[in-house]
Amino acid sequence: GAGVSQSPRYKVAKRGQDVALRCDPISGHVSLFWYQQALGQGPEFLTYFQNEAQLDKSGLPSDRFFAERPEGSVSTLKIQRTQQEDSAVYLCASSSRAGGPYNEQFFGPGTRLTVL
Amino acid sequence: AQSVSQHNHHVILSEAASLELGCNYSYGGTVNLFWYVQYPGQHLQLLLKYFSGDPLVKGIKGFEAEFIKSKFSFNLRKPSVQWSDTAEYFCAVISNDYKLSFGAGTTVTVRA
Repeated sequence: GAGVSQSPRYKVAKRGQDVALRCDPISGHVSLFWYQQALGQGPEFLTYFQNEAQLDKSGLPSDRFFAERPEGSVSTLKIQRTQQEDSAVYLCASSSRAGGPYNEQFFGPGTRLTVL
Repeated sequence: AQSVSQHNHHVILSEAASLELGCNYSYGGTVNLFWYVQYPGQHLQLLLKYFSGDPLVKGIKGFEAEFIKSKFSFNLRKPSVQWSDTAEYFCAVISNDYKLSFGAGTTVTVRA
């Protein structure tokens, strides 16, 4: 497809389970971002990749959160030992060039994670 | 701390009414400003952006926004809304890097 895709679209996990969320950016896009959107809030930055390099993970809320992009295309956000406060929509975005304020970020539909 | 504030959580109006959504930010340096829209069941998409130059910027679907530096504001406007403008609207800022900082969003409901 032409846009950013994410899977699964919905995920229900029991507290303590590990989850993996996938992002397929627009083909050829250099930059990839993950954001977390809690209910009633705007998205918040989690991490940034330029190609396969994770250049910024300052927004990851704890060491239970881990992201990778091993071949510089598809990315996976993994959350270990999920907690109820991890319930949110996880958004992926990509842009065609190295990250910067002038490069439009194109968003995927998000994965809604519910931790019971 | 850096932040983006959107004044209204939920706005309800009738078709053909005018819309103005407030956005204020607190950043000390250069800012790049954005409005994103999320239509029901769809992903976030860029409505308009301001980097520099003319502080009145025009976006898609008849939307415009005005950057007022002295007021740290970037309000979104549309003179006459349509039912299809029902959506959630997010104001966002990038300072000098690549991280979008979003406001909490404003849900706009347009009644036919």
